[in-house]
Amino acid sequence: AQTVTQSQPEMSVQEAETVTLSCTYDTSENNYYLFWYKQPPSRQMILVIRQEAYKQQNATENRFSVNFQKAAKSFSLKISDSQLGDTAMYFCALPARPPLVFGKGTRLSVIA
Amino acid sequence: EPEVTQTPSHQVTQMGQEVILRCVPISNHLYFYWYRQILGQKVEFLVSFYNNEISEKSEIFDDQFSVERPDGSNFTLKIRSTKLEDSAMYFCASRTNSEKLFFGSGTQLSVL
Repeated sequence: AQTVTQSQPEMSVQEAETVTLSCTYDTSENNYYLFWYKQPPSRQMILVIRQEAYKQQNATENRFSVNFQKAAKSFSLKISDSQLGDTAMYFCALPARPPLVFGKGTRLSVIA
Repeated sequence: EPEVTQTPSHQVTQMGQEVILRCVPISNHLYFYWYRQILGQKVEFLVSFYNNEISEKSEIFDDQFSVERPDGSNFTLKIRSTKLEDSAMYFCASRTNSEKLFFGSGTQLSVL
């Protein structure tokens, strides 16, 4: 069975600093996607970034980037130049059967 | 950018009553989903819908739940006789053949 583990329930970072959120997963698939979703206090689920497992190059979206280690089944999210608006729950997710298995989330607080 | 639209944003109901949560997926999407998130917990899969029928469902999706796509645009989740433990945020999501899943902003269901 596919599983997703986020081992950091809460993290904080100073504004303008860089923070890395960890995610490990387990899957028997060879080709798959991985996602990071952001859930701000409004509770909307917003896709931050996705990585295709067959691509060796790490995905980047503006201030957000991932460190994808396929052999280690690790998929961490790096947020550079943290902003107050980045304060949210962050969920790592893996398409699976059933579709999209989520981790328990990491609550990130950006401090002014 | 096209969005998944959910109504209402907040629904309050009495225990034992029926509720219908409504979603309008993105127009060219083929796969439709319902997820729920109990406060403070992770997002859980309920059901997926493709080609006018349920393709997968979780253990949570028991006989009290049903889904329908009554016309070409709406996708509804019905809970026949609500229980206190059904209180949660319910997310609708849709996608094309791509794995990228688009979420609606959610309906917060409160069962009193």
